[in-house]
Amino acid sequence: DGGITQSPKYLFRKEGQNVTLSCEQNLNHDAMYWYRQDPGQGLRLIYYSQIVNDFQKGDIAEGYSVSREKKESFPLTVTSAQKNPTAFYLCASSPLPGQGAGELFFGEGSRLTVL
Amino acid sequence: GNSVTQMEGPVTLSEEAFLTINCTYTATGYPSLFWYVQYPGEGLQLLLKATKADDKGSNKGFEATYRKETTSFHLEKGSVQVSDSAVYFCALSDQINFGNEKLTFGTGTRLTIIP
Repeated sequence: DGGITQSPKYLFRKEGQNVTLSCEQNLNHDAMYWYRQDPGQGLRLIYYSQIVNDFQKGDIAEGYSVSREKKESFPLTVTSAQKNPTAFYLCASSPLPGQGAGELFFGEGSRLTVL
Repeated sequence: GNSVTQMEGPVTLSEEAFLTINCTYTATGYPSLFWYVQYPGEGLQLLLKATKADDKGSNKGFEATYRKETTSFHLEKGSVQVSDSAVYFCALSDQINFGNEKLTFGTGTRLTIIP
């Protein structure tokens, strides 16, 4: 089945450690996104990528980094510089503009807890 | 900038009740409008969408009409079921300004249906 796979589903981290969240898609979508979800705040965009080897900062990129070496993969690293990393992280993908009329396809999310 | 304001929750209804979740937006250009649904422990999935004024999106008994004159996209369902319990997000995509599917989300409305 086509879709987006995020791993791990749950992750615990000690303060000061970097962690990397995986996101893989087999939908052949060009664009991929990372959102952060906090209670009562909806979704906020961290980074997005429209094409391999290119990505753009979203609204809350500080303390995060990404790479897009392959079309299928868009991993997110939460660095020790992120002051409040405990959250639910959602990866999404979409066809390029004009092809999907704005629809995003989401993974099931990764819940990161900093101890 | 773009923004989406939706009805604050939580909303609790009895089974078979009528549902309305209000959503209003502010945007430049000609946005597409969406309702996404998030079931417990999962990512978001598209519920319905409308791409131009006066369009009605519908799916699974839910409906929403794109009202440009009132900048609204209220979600309605005539008779809710326990399985409709979820968090509902209103969102917009303004492709003219952003040139990509960078959605702006509301804060979400948690809906609980009691048998």
